[in-house]
Amino acid sequence: DSGVTQTPKHLITATGQRVTLRCSPRSGDLSVYWYQQSLDQGLQFLIQYYNGEERAKGNILERFSAQQFPDLHSELNLSSLELGDSALYFCASSVDRGYGGANVLTFGAGSRLTVL
Amino acid sequence: ILNVEQSPQSLHVQEGDSTNFTCSFPSSNFYALHWYRWETAKSPEALFVMTLNGDEKKKGRISATLNTKEGYSYLYIKGSQPEDSATYLCAFHNTGKLIFGQGTTLQVKP
Repeated sequence: DSGVTQTPKHLITATGQRVTLRCSPRSGDLSVYWYQQSLDQGLQFLIQYYNGEERAKGNILERFSAQQFPDLHSELNLSSLELGDSALYFCASSVDRGYGGANVLTFGAGSRLTVL
Repeated sequence: ILNVEQSPQSLHVQEGDSTNFTCSFPSSNFYALHWYRWETAKSPEALFVMTLNGDEKKKGRISATLNTKEGYSYLYIKGSQPEDSATYLCAFHNTGKLIFGQGTTLQVKP
């Protein structure tokens, strides 16, 4: 157990639907990162939060949104789902303060989303 | 667009062989370079974070070097073992974004 908890582990839904993926970071970590891994693709950076504030944004679709709550857990909301959104979504946390990037990421086990 | 390139894409070696992989990244606005090990059906696990030009890190039989001026990092595995079989990812940190390369997949045959 890495200390980063992601729920649900698996999710099957239909096109056009909306889902929420949840991530609880490791105790003491203030930064949360979200990544998408589609079939035959590497880890694509979506978004980063630090202590409740959005800190950096990657290639995140407008249909996707995220937030980090006061208790530091984070949620990734995916709406108007398409077949191509089927992927493994990873959350990772870090003790990083600000932009430094000098601390490792600890990854959760991932949430596998299947859109039918 | 931040681009992190890793080579080779895959590598097959015999047990006992030593091997190395390359990670290329933009040399401007450098903050940190990460290496992760990703076994099948598991999550990526951190190996090293390097922040200074000339940094060298070592963990058992695995070591890494960093050249920020020319934008590359090498990961070395000495005396590869079957349990080293995994995908090795590097990631370039730039203003909050940690951008991963596609990885080098290593297969070590007994």
